[in-house]
Amino acid sequence: EAGVAQSPRYKIIEKRQSVAFWCNPISGHATLYWYQQILGQGPKLLIQFQNNGVVDDSQLPKDRFSAERLKGVDSTLKIQPAKLEDSAVYLCASSGTTGSYRGSTDTQYFGPGTRLTVL
Amino acid sequence: GENVEQHPSTLSVQEGDSAVIKCTYSDSASNYFPWYKQELGKGPQLIIDIRSNVGEKKDQRIAVTLNKTAKHFSLHITETQPEDSAVYFCASSNDMRFGAGTRLTVKP
Repeated sequence: EAGVAQSPRYKIIEKRQSVAFWCNPISGHATLYWYQQILGQGPKLLIQFQNNGVVDDSQLPKDRFSAERLKGVDSTLKIQPAKLEDSAVYLCASSGTTGSYRGSTDTQYFGPGTRLTVL
Repeated sequence: GENVEQHPSTLSVQEGDSAVIKCTYSDSASNYFPWYKQELGKGPQLIIDIRSNVGEKKDQRIAVTLNKTAKHFSLHITETQPEDSAVYFCASSNDMRFGAGTRLTVKP
């Protein structure tokens, strides 16, 4: 079974520039998550999708971050404009849950992440 | 929101010894507690999980215990091996809060 795919794996940009990350979840998984993992910390949930609808985006900095999951499969996360403190690994995960509640009690499968460096 | 505290932040053991990592949570409504292992350059991988209707779960050398009254759960790794060296994260369900991680080093 193919895992969660993410691209690019690494990205270096200057502050105030824009950047986008792409995620392809495991086939058939209805729920998709984006996490931000700052060096030395645990992942922090940014947004949770159920199919193409947003279940939870309470921790997403909406003034600069946006995400979409058109057609309920692939997803993109965008940062515009980037700040120095956005330097982190951005992880995508998916699960097969069909519920629409916050969080999850189903196994989440993580992709390898995209390491973003903002200079 | 939920807070998940994880201890210790680093743990070094000799090969063959046991390792224990502890987490506490604040939301009494939480009912699912997964543990993840993260190796360098990779995403977290689920190694074991426990739901609130059981107090202990074991899978070969790995076990997790849950005390809902005290709101804490622990990961136990027995007969540690060098390949167990990684960062381990606990998490709590309702809004998927992760602990800060424990860097485990197993010395051969």
